[in-house]
Amino acid sequence: AQTVTQSQPEMSVQEAETVTLSCTYDTSESDYYLFWYKQPPSRQMILVIRQEAYKQQNATENRFSVNFQKAAKSFSLKISDSQLGDAAMYFCAYREGGSEKLVFGKGTKLTVNP
Amino acid sequence: DAMVIQNPRYQVTQFGKPVTLSCSQTLNHNVMYWYQQKSSQAPKLLFHYYDKDFNNEADTPDNFQSRRPNTSFCFLDIRSPGLGDAAMYLCATSRDPSGRGHTQYFGPGTRLTVL
Repeated sequence: AQTVTQSQPEMSVQEAETVTLSCTYDTSESDYYLFWYKQPPSRQMILVIRQEAYKQQNATENRFSVNFQKAAKSFSLKISDSQLGDAAMYFCAYREGGSEKLVFGKGTKLTVNP
Repeated sequence: DAMVIQNPRYQVTQFGKPVTLSCSQTLNHNVMYWYQQKSSQAPKLLFHYYDKDFNNEADTPDNFQSRRPNTSFCFLDIRSPGLGDAAMYLCATSRDPSGRGHTQYFGPGTRLTVL
């Protein structure tokens, strides 16, 4: 079964600085998708960024970018110019191509210090 | 705005008293999901509907049931809630995932307390 591991239960960053959240996954499939979701306190989960495994280029969305290392099965999220509103729980998630099921990691709680 | 709506946001029930949580969507998505998220844990998929087809996860207790009367609505029924069922319940939707990895859109969740 596919598993997703987030080894950092908590991280903190100073406002305007850069932080990287780690994620590794285990799969024998070649067709899959990876996601980072953000869940602010008492607010709904929203998609931050997604990566298709067949794409070699790392996905970017404004201040958010990923470092996708397919051979190493690593999918880290880099947040540049951190803002107070970035404080949230961040979940890494995996989905096999054609499947409806998302497999989540346990999450990393990000604190942004002013 | 198109969105995923969950009602109520907070639900209190008594041990053993049936409870129903509601989810509606204006996105016209084919797939609707129910997740259970306990404190400081990752969401855990309970089941999902692909159109009218119900797909149960192997480890979802029989105590949890679901109904999808139409495209827009999906209900989570907990027949006899136990203290261990206290959690946040998240509804999510996605378009036909046989396409290419469509994103899931989440509702705000219903926090269930069992007394």
